[in-house]
Amino acid sequence: KQEVTQIPAALSVPEGENLVLNCSFTDSAIYNLQWFRQDPGKGLTSLLLIQSSQREQTSGRLNASLDKSSGRSTLYIAASQPGDSATYLCAVHSGNTGKLIFGQGTTLQVKP
Amino acid sequence: DAGVIQSPRHEVTEMGQEVTLRCKLISGHNSLFWYRQTMMRGLELLIYFNNNVPIDDSGMPEDRFSAKMPNASFSTLKIQPSEPRDSAVYFCASSLRAGAPQETQYFGPGTRLLVL
Repeated sequence: KQEVTQIPAALSVPEGENLVLNCSFTDSAIYNLQWFRQDPGKGLTSLLLIQSSQREQTSGRLNASLDKSSGRSTLYIAASQPGDSATYLCAVHSGNTGKLIFGQGTTLQVKP
Repeated sequence: DAGVIQSPRHEVTEMGQEVTLRCKLISGHNSLFWYRQTMMRGLELLIYFNNNVPIDDSGMPEDRFSAKMPNASFSTLKIQPSEPRDSAVYFCASSLRAGAPQETQYFGPGTRLLVL
């Protein structure tokens, strides 16, 4: 059974710092991995999707990497801003279905 | 496009009452997912549909929960009778192509359910 773990559960950094969020999964047989952002009281917004054949994806200040063999992904946020404060969720597609398995999330606070 | 639309946004009800949550997919999308989010268990997939057909309902907690897609753009999630442990945020999401895991899922704003 696929399990997704995110560490740390919470993170507080001063504005301008570069930071890394971690995600690990137990079954390396995945189709892709997605990183989502969730603001308080809101739904999820997809940030990056990495196919199993890819090593990384970039969007603006965000860079996500994938190491399938070790069951790990990282989300790198460069030059963090207070507007980046949110919960970041990692999710994997296991099997040839639309089924996503989510981690518990990392709640990020960027202090001005 | 207005995105995935969910109603109501908030629902407070008493134990034993029937609750119906509604979701409208993004136009042209063929896959529909219902998730539940709680502090204890995080985000869990309850059920998903491809082309109006339920594909996997293994996440539906009990027979008290049922989901339907009466047409290609609309879905309901019903809880009857509701219990306090059903209190959670329920999200609906849709994606473009049925059975295509590479497609991004687009989430609605969620329905916050409180069962007293």
